Amino acid sequence: EVQLVESGGGLVQPGGSLRLSCAASGFTFSSYWMSWVRQAPGKGLEWVATIKEDGSETFYVDSVKGRFTISRDDAKNSLYLQMNSLRVEDTSMYYCARDTMTDWGQGTLVAVSS
Amino acid sequence: QAGLTQPPSVSKDLRQTATLTCTGNGNNVGYQGAVWLQQHQGHPPKLLSYRNSNRPSWISERLSASRSGNTASLTITGLQPEDEADYYCSAWDASLRAWVFGGGTRLTVL
Repeated sequence: EVQLVESGGGLVQPGGSLRLSCAASGFTFSSYWMSWVRQAPGKGLEWVATIKEDGSETFYVDSVKGRFTISRDDAKNSLYLQMNSLRVEDTSMYYCARDTMTDWGQGTLVAVSS
Repeated sequence: QAGLTQPPSVSKDLRQTATLTCTGNGNNVGYQGAVWLQQHQGHPPKLLSYRNSNRPSWISERLSASRSGNTASLTITGLQPEDEADYYCSAWDASLRAWVFGGGTRLTVL
């Protein structure tokens, strides 16, 4: 059974940093593209970032380019999202998703507020 | 990044049929198709249909997906109360090199 478990969310002040993690199990992690998708309270889904199976390429939504970094550690079956220079508008539930959005974690909540 | 177009809301009677649409362009929906996701309030999204319109084995046969050109559709027959949820489509945009999402359709079962 595929399992994705996010962690690392919390309350942070504007300009601060957080590192989200996603622990994967139940599949060959190193064979799949992985993504982060977020959802602001009461809003729709917004794609944030994607990393290829070998980590050779990464892709980002324009609003986080230069601030967020997606990475992976295949030895630990883990996906990460380093978030710097956080803004109030980054407040969202952050989900990790496998491959072509086929499997999703439960999410971790990030709140940016002073 | 431009998104996919979905109607904000659809309302149908119990046991009727609902068809949800998702319109993109030749770089996304028309390129490799769209996935469909269902989200109940307070829960994470759940896959209903792969990009090739195939349904995961655990998804009800009442749901079917299709694509015609740059528009993807999700049809739900015999609507049940548990079908009331938000439905999203998403596709990889080969030109933007990004995943794009629709704004979501809230399905209400009357």
